[in-house]
Amino acid sequence: EPEVTQTPSHQVTQMGQEVILRCVPISNHLYFYWYRQILGQKVEFLVSFYNNEISEKSEIFDDQFSVERPDGSNFTLKIRSTKLEDSAMYFCASRFGNEKLFFGSGTQLSVL
Amino acid sequence: TQLLEQSPQFLSIQEGENLTVYCNSSSVFSSLQWYRQEPGEGPVLLVTVVTGGEVKKLKRLTFQFGDARKDSSLHITAAQPGDTGLYLCAGEDQGGKLIFGQGTELSVKP
Repeated sequence: EPEVTQTPSHQVTQMGQEVILRCVPISNHLYFYWYRQILGQKVEFLVSFYNNEISEKSEIFDDQFSVERPDGSNFTLKIRSTKLEDSAMYFCASRFGNEKLFFGSGTQLSVL
Repeated sequence: TQLLEQSPQFLSIQEGENLTVYCNSSSVFSSLQWYRQEPGEGPVLLVTVVTGGEVKKLKRLTFQFGDARKDSSLHITAAQPGDTGLYLCAGEDQGGKLIFGQGTELSVKP
């Protein structure tokens, strides 16, 4: 089965540093998402992306966050100046249309 | 704000027992999805229910969507140790984003 690939699997950074989390969605998919899961809490929606623009974003997705699809295959989430509370597992997901949503294995971000 | 309350959060049972996990909301969803998540992995879709009153079966797992499309249940018959894991329900809103429940950590002891 095709899969969504995320790199790195673990990222450790210092508070205030910029991080870029990378995702390669399934090749013919059109809708892309980032979700995050803080340890012990619910999976939370961050942002959805379609047709090269953000479709919807949550309150969490403030000015410190940005997404990009730079080359038609990668889908990145950038956090400009990380905070301790950004520590979480970040999941990328993609789907073709109204069909099954595929999640990647996640990037565990630790902000020290 | 749409919320999905999932219960119970933790469930520890013996092999062979039956169990039910519930997801409840005051909001109507376009669909309700059930996922299973293994440690260190992303959620993997088990089933999507779309129509009010819909029932879907996946081997020993039975999923039901409430008539009003606000709640859902997952019933496992004769649970096995291989069923151990984290089960998540998620409601899909009109915009296509998912609102997740807190998850149910199931442990099935042999």
